[in-house]
Amino acid sequence: DADVTQTPRNRITKTGKRIMLECSQTKGHDRMYWYRQDPGLGLRLIYYSFDVKDINKGEISDGYSVSRQAQAKFSLSLESAIPNQTALYFCATSDTTGKAFFGQGTRLTVV
Amino acid sequence: AQSVAQPEDQVNVAEGNPLTVKCTYSVSGNPYLFWYVQYPNRGLQFLLKYITGDNLVKGSYGFEAEFNKSQTSFHLKKPSALVSDSALYFCAVRDPGYSSASKIIFGSGTRLSIRP
Repeated sequence: DADVTQTPRNRITKTGKRIMLECSQTKGHDRMYWYRQDPGLGLRLIYYSFDVKDINKGEISDGYSVSRQAQAKFSLSLESAIPNQTALYFCATSDTTGKAFFGQGTRLTVV
Repeated sequence: AQSVAQPEDQVNVAEGNPLTVKCTYSVSGNPYLFWYVQYPNRGLQFLLKYITGDNLVKGSYGFEAEFNKSQTSFHLKKPSALVSDSALYFCAVRDPGYSSASKIIFGSGTRLSIRP
């Protein structure tokens, strides 16, 4: 089994719909992250969490929200999806040095 | 605020030749630096990291990186490129603090293309 699992792997949704991307990890790490990847822009940080009670905004948090339900689970929500949120989304965990472990990604298309 | 720059969108190298993928960073204090590789339709995979110690760090698949504090650089290198090294490479930096400001920031990525 993968250390970091994202669901769904692919999703097409309509503009204005609410959508949740889920992430679970078996690494036992406290630190979890959500990034989006766009061509030419690399990975941009959306939200990160250093424990269940700690949630922090990243570079591009507008239009997104997160929930850290447990140490192992960190979900990302788009309250009202818009087309420019079409991207590849990655969840990651990290150890205390910052070495990151990534999920396989969720390809989201908003039409 | 911490930041990382990869000045080259693409690097093209002939198989067997040495390769370098550039990365510069900005962070307060001593940085934690990382390189990751991404193959098509996959998540990022860890290659190597610099925390402290020797400036030359060795990692997976024959890659190494040199930390240069005066130039704030952490370039990825390999003495002899393979076609299978063709992928997207990301440099990342983390502020070494333990506060919630200590997040991981990635560069924009460099596509490495190795021609046979």
